[in-house]
Amino acid sequence: EDQVTQSPEALRLQEGESSSLNCSYTVSGLRGLFWYRQDPGKGPEFLFTLYSAGEEKEKERLKATLTKKESFLHITAPKPEDSATYLCAVHDPKGATNKLIFGTGTLLAVQP
Amino acid sequence: DVKVTQSSRYLVKRTGEKVFLECVQDMDHENMFWYRQDPGLGLRLIYFSYDVKMKEKGDIPEGYSVSREKKERFSLILESASTNQTSMYLCASSTLGTGLNTEAFFGQGTRLTVV
Repeated sequence: EDQVTQSPEALRLQEGESSSLNCSYTVSGLRGLFWYRQDPGKGPEFLFTLYSAGEEKEKERLKATLTKKESFLHITAPKPEDSATYLCAVHDPKGATNKLIFGTGTLLAVQP
Repeated sequence: DVKVTQSSRYLVKRTGEKVFLECVQDMDHENMFWYRQDPGLGLRLIYFSYDVKMKEKGDIPEGYSVSREKKERFSLILESASTNQTSMYLCASSTLGTGLNTEAFFGQGTRLTVV
């Protein structure tokens, strides 16, 4: 079954304490893996797309990496404003309509 | 910047009412999607459309219908609202092609409460 699993469900960090979020996927023929940030009561905000194993993307304190089975979102020296839910998604391999399969997210809380 | 705009941030409707949620995108995207998001269940696809007047059911289409008369606009219709349809509704759009720039962009969400 095609699915996306994120861990941990929730993560509490102190400001400046680096960590990683995990997204593992089981789809055949990955056509893209996506990371989103979602603040409470708002729609997801696009962060990164990764297309092939070994690829890395960076934005400020965030770096996303991809292997053949999983992706990591590394957060370096986080600040309280990085607190949000981080969602991972992949293209549904069935059909060519670019539907997304989402994980249930990791709720990150960064305390000052 | 890509813009996906949902017509309302908050809605309160009565049980049995017919409810329309509107979504407009300005990126000339072929695909448009409606999701609902509930605590512990993540984002679940209700319906999507890959072209004008074309629609396909997602994972939870029961109790909903959609309309896409113009490329930029995708409407979600709750035929007879029920309390179990209280949720956050999210609209998204993306290109239909493969390769680069196939990410989906989301609207700000509509928090619907059915009383």
